[in-house]
Amino acid sequence: AQTVTQSQPEMSVQEAETVTLSCTYDTSESDYYLFWYKQPPSRQMILVIRQEAYKQQNATENRFSVNFQKAAKSFSLKISDSQLGDAAMYFCAYRSPLIQGAQKLVFGQGTRLTINP
Amino acid sequence: EAGVTQSPTHLIKTRGQQATLRCSPISGHTSVYWYQQALGLGLQFLLWYDEGEERNRGNFPPRFSGRQFPNYSSELNVNALELEDSALYLCASSLKYRGGTEAFFGQGTRLTVV
Repeated sequence: AQTVTQSQPEMSVQEAETVTLSCTYDTSESDYYLFWYKQPPSRQMILVIRQEAYKQQNATENRFSVNFQKAAKSFSLKISDSQLGDAAMYFCAYRSPLIQGAQKLVFGQGTRLTINP
Repeated sequence: EAGVTQSPTHLIKTRGQQATLRCSPISGHTSVYWYQQALGLGLQFLLWYDEGEERNRGNFPPRFSGRQFPNYSSELNVNALELEDSALYLCASSLKYRGGTEAFFGQGTRLTVV
């Protein structure tokens, strides 16, 4: 079974600075999908960024980028120019390929990010 | 376009009672997923429905069950409620067979068992 580990329960960063959230995972599959979700106090999970394992290029979405290290099974999220609105719980998630049937997302425990003004 | 909607927003039940939570997926999405997010814990996968059938189930007792209707909306039923069932229950929907397509989440139902 796949597992996802986020080793940082809490992180804080000064506004406008850069922060990196860590995520490692364990799987025997060669093809899969990785996601970072954000959960603000409103509780709704919002997709931040996705990465397909077969793509070597790291995904980027505006101020958000990932460092995907497939061999090390590491998938960290970098937030540049942090803004107050970035404060939230961040969850790393794994999803198996479609044909495997198990379409569920496997989540890490989350990292609470605080932005200091 | 409407997102995933869940009802009710909050639900308070007494231990031993039954709770019913509802979810309407995004139009065109055939897959619905249910997750439990207990306080201080990550999201635990409960159930996956697609095209009216249960496709996958997480490590939860049979007291947790559900169904998906022809319009792809879904219900989660929790019988014989226990105090530890208190949690945020999140529903998500996605297109089927589009692997990298993300799951879109609703705002959840906060279930409190007293």
